[in-house]
Amino acid sequence: GENVEQHPSTLSVQEGDSAVIKCTYSDSASNYFPWYKQELGKRPQLIIDIRSNVGEKKDQRIAVTLNKTAKHFSLHITETQPEDSAVYFCAASTTLSGSRLTFGEGTQLTVNP
Amino acid sequence: EAGVAQSPRYKIIEKRQSVAFWCNPISGHATLYWYQQILGQGPKLLIQFQNNGVVDDSQLPKDRFSAERLKGVDSTLKIQPAKLEDSAVYLCASTSNRNTQYFGPGTRLTVL
Repeated sequence: GENVEQHPSTLSVQEGDSAVIKCTYSDSASNYFPWYKQELGKRPQLIIDIRSNVGEKKDQRIAVTLNKTAKHFSLHITETQPEDSAVYFCAASTTLSGSRLTFGEGTQLTVNP
Repeated sequence: EAGVAQSPRYKIIEKRQSVAFWCNPISGHATLYWYQQILGQGPKLLIQFQNNGVVDDSQLPKDRFSAERLKGVDSTLKIQPAKLEDSAVYLCASTSNRNTQYFGPGTRLTVL
């Protein structure tokens, strides 16, 4: 089955700096890669996603890149703000698996004012 | 658009007791998932429904966990009997297009 590895597990940055979180996946059939933000005690919220026919996607301060050959994808947050502090999860799925998501273990991002 | 609803939000039980969780997906979403999220970890799929049929329950501990979605809308997840290691947040998610999943607020279960 699919295995998703995520790093770093914790990331601390100064407000205004950029943050990068990286994930690798094992199943070459995976074709959908969402990123979720989870604040303490809250539900995971989808912040951006990318499909395997696209190499990069951007939404304001958030961007995701995908390298299918290397089987890794990354989340980039620019101009970080204290409200970006949360746990971020990457995930992967394939329509062949019924679209079930396999999640990484999460990255605790702390943005220091 | 109303989101995924779950209840209860919190539940504390003793080991060997039974517990049930309820989920109401977003209206019109045919696919429903139950995930288990242990503290400090990512969510792990327990079971996936397409309408009222099970698509994937390969990671569901069937000796103690059961789930149903009788009318293809609401779903219940049951644990009987509960073990200490079942302490976790149980998340329900739904999707209409088989990719983008929307999560409910979760039920935090504590087994003493």
